[in-house]
Amino acid sequence: GALVYQYPRRTICKSGTSMRMECQAVGFQATSVAWYRQSPQKTFELIALSTVNSAIKYEQNFTQEKFPISHPNLSFSSMTVLNAYLEDRGLYLCGARGHLNSDYTFGSGTRLLVI
Amino acid sequence: TQTVSQSDAHVTVFEGDSVELRCNYSYGGSIYLSWYIQHHGRGLQFLLKYYSGNPVVQGVNGFKAEFSKSDSSFHLRKASVHWSDSAVYFCAVSALNTGYQNFYFGKGTSLTVIP
Repeated sequence: GALVYQYPRRTICKSGTSMRMECQAVGFQATSVAWYRQSPQKTFELIALSTVNSAIKYEQNFTQEKFPISHPNLSFSSMTVLNAYLEDRGLYLCGARGHLNSDYTFGSGTRLLVI
Repeated sequence: TQTVSQSDAHVTVFEGDSVELRCNYSYGGSIYLSWYIQHHGRGLQFLLKYYSGNPVVQGVNGFKAEFSKSDSSFHLRKASVHWSDSAVYFCAVSALNTGYQNFYFGKGTSLTVIP
């Protein structure tokens, strides 16, 4: 079946430093990868959508300068949180799908704590 | 733009009761609706979806949802809940104007099932 692995599962970084998280699709080709953030007590906010052979589209309030994303092939994507601060803490979720009519398969998330 | 709202932040029922979790959306065009479940501290698991056809869709673990265009709703129901159904449930919407690429989530409904 289709699976998405995210790592690390949990990470702690010092305020002002950066942290990279990875997303691996297994069993299908991840044509599209969506990155979300769930801040404490909140819903999942879409950060950006990456589609192979297209430009990465960032949502309002999220920028490439802060959350650079790489999607080099159909099985892997990574996102970095640059210069992390307290408001960046939360659960970062990666969702991948193969084509428009398929459902997103989500990873278990990377929980980021900033101290 | 499309939005989705879940009017109940928390729902508490007893095991064996039926439950309805409400989801309303706002968008005038073709739409893709889905429900996901998040167990405590974990990622999202897909429950069910609606895109077209029969407005009543069956999902995993006895869940079903009904699409209503007149009410702009996609409520999730289960006839008899189990304590293991305790989790946060998210309704998500995606629309034709984004190529069904961008999924937007509601704020979630926390379901507590008392054994």
